Amino acid sequence: NAGVMQNPRHLVRRRGQEARLRCSPMKGHSHVYWYRQLPEEGLKFMVYLQKENIIDESGMPKERFSAEFPKEGPSILRIQQVVRGDSAAYFCASSADRYNSPLHFGNGTRLTVT
Amino acid sequence: QKEVEQNSGPLSVPEGAIASLNCTYSDRVSQSFFWYRQYSGKSPELIMSIYSNGDKEDGRFTAQLNKASQYVSLLIRDSQPSDSATYLCAVKGSFGNEKLTFGTGTRLTIIP
Repeated sequence: NAGVMQNPRHLVRRRGQEARLRCSPMKGHSHVYWYRQLPEEGLKFMVYLQKENIIDESGMPKERFSAEFPKEGPSILRIQQVVRGDSAAYFCASSADRYNSPLHFGNGTRLTVT
Repeated sequence: QKEVEQNSGPLSVPEGAIASLNCTYSDRVSQSFFWYRQYSGKSPELIMSIYSNGDKEDGRFTAQLNKASQYVSLLIRDSQPSDSATYLCAVKGSFGNEKLTFGTGTRLTIIP
């Protein structure tokens, strides 16, 4: 499968635990984006990364959330000390370049905080 | 003013008719425009991309762009029940603002 791969598909965490979401971009893509979608709401931009660099994190909450895209391995979105309000679908997307190429989305990780 | 605005719908269209979806954006220097389809519980799927003024056709889909009016539209001809979904308009900014910003989506229902 050459598409964007996200795992896990479903993640259940208790309040206060940490959540780690992984994303491997499409083959040949080095630009990764993370979006959050609450039920019945639109896609909200969180962060845009290239290999080893955060390009735009204007949509990331200031606390508890972090993202990385190391030289080797998948991109990771990390949520520390999860709260019920973090329950959402988290989508990762990748693109071939910075400017004109469309984003291709993975199947998402559905995070449920109990 | 929202960066990307769409009518939330729902929009109901009889099978076989033309569905027309509209979108306006606020950043005048935006360069790239996309339409995505999202079925309930699924991820967004790219339908069309358009970069210059005018029409772009792909099968039953036509995207239209008018940069002077900051307006993008999507026409779906010969609508099918399988077209029932939420359609998301997305706009990519220019240098320094390359994130893709989405509208809230228009829910389309095709009535058999």
